[in-house]
Amino acid sequence: NAGVTQTPKFQVLKTGQSMTLQCAQDMNHEYMSWYRQDPGMGLRLIHYSVGAGITDQGEVPNGYNVSRSTTEDFPLRLLSAAPSQTSVYFCASSARPGTVSNQPQHFGDGTRLSIL
Amino acid sequence: QQQVKQSPQSLIVQKGGISIINCAYENTAFDYFPWYQQFPGKGPALLIAIRPDVSEKKEGRFTISFNKSAKQFSLHIMDSQPGDSATYFCAARVSGNTGKLIFGQGTTLQVKP
Repeated sequence: NAGVTQTPKFQVLKTGQSMTLQCAQDMNHEYMSWYRQDPGMGLRLIHYSVGAGITDQGEVPNGYNVSRSTTEDFPLRLLSAAPSQTSVYFCASSARPGTVSNQPQHFGDGTRLSIL
Repeated sequence: QQQVKQSPQSLIVQKGGISIINCAYENTAFDYFPWYQQFPGKGPALLIAIRPDVSEKKEGRFTISFNKSAKQFSLHIMDSQPGDSATYFCAARVSGNTGKLIFGQGTTLQVKP
């Protein structure tokens, strides 16, 4: 049981390049989300999904694209990388929101992305 | 706009002391208030959480105090240990079925031996 797995762990890109950050979970969680973490800013929600085929925008969605074709996978795509997207990216998953048991979000260990 | 404000940004405590981190939220419907602990190079991990109909929750050395009328909540770490040195984030979950979490800015705690 690996939990939430993110790949790659580190990546350096040049401005204008595109890439996909991978996220996979093996807990059969319906809810998945992407956050970026920047110093002094906490974690900010980029995009989220409440189930396969359903995605929505978070606080900072510009420059990012997501899709959710399976329950397990939730990739994040940078369309044209910019230096402002240098950050640490975290993927998280949880059981269906709104349940009585208040399931916590489980986080991966992040992808550290630098854009030159 | 930051709907959850966290303070202090950094905190240094002697071993055995009490660490206190505060958070305040603005006028949004939140239904769940978790605290996450993050070690360097790792993702945040749930430490303790509280629902707004409860004023205090204790798990071992960790206690959340919740003041609904003041829209404030805090984390107390009793008998702080060097192993508690980490970054702590408070968060608030938006009511409804989106599961959206709004995080505070984070507090870096250093516990000196």
